Amino acid sequence: AQKVTQAQTEISVVEKEDVTLDCVYETRDTTYYLFWYKQPPSGELVFLIRRNSFDEQNEISGRYSWNFQKSTSSFNFTITASQVVDSAVYFCALSEAGYSSASKIIFGSGTRLSIRP
Amino acid sequence: DGGITQSPKYLFRKEGQNVTLSCEQNLNHDAMYWYRQDPGQGLRLIYYSQIVNDFQKGDIAEGYSVSREKKESFPLTVTSAQKNPTAFYLCASSTGLAGGLRAGELFFGEGSRLTVL
Repeated sequence: AQKVTQAQTEISVVEKEDVTLDCVYETRDTTYYLFWYKQPPSGELVFLIRRNSFDEQNEISGRYSWNFQKSTSSFNFTITASQVVDSAVYFCALSEAGYSSASKIIFGSGTRLSIRP
Repeated sequence: DGGITQSPKYLFRKEGQNVTLSCEQNLNHDAMYWYRQDPGQGLRLIYYSQIVNDFQKGDIAEGYSVSREKKESFPLTVTSAQKNPTAFYLCASSTGLAGGLRAGELFFGEGSRLTVL
């Protein structure tokens, strides 16, 4: 069965610090997709990244970077030089690839990140 | 503008009443999803649908029902059988995993907050 675990419930750091959000997943499939979403105080979720199970290359987008390691079933997210605007709840999600257009996508419980000025 | 529209934003219900939450999308997406969000529990999948007249149960379908009579619409009914219906409900749509660079990305509505009095 699918499962996504975000063990860090809340993290609080001072602005400009680096912070890493952990995500550990479980799946029996060899083909799957991992995602990160951001939920700012407004409530609407925003897509950040998608990674498929065959691509273990790390990705960097500005101050954001993602570390995908199949050996440890982890897909961690790092924010470098954090800013107050990064304050939000961050969700990791997993989808097992199916042959249909809709696949079950499940989310972790989220990590609430607070950046203090 | 293309997007997902959920209504109402806020809804109050008396115990024992059924209530229907609306979700409409004009993104021409095949897949649609309903999630429930409770504090500290992240997003939990209620139902999802890949095509008109077809839908599958998610992890917490008991006490809920859906229909998919049109591609654009995926209403969720919270029935009186749902023991603890007070929550924030999020609808999403997706092109599905075969949809190119952003395949699998969920586009979310602004949510509907249901309170049972």
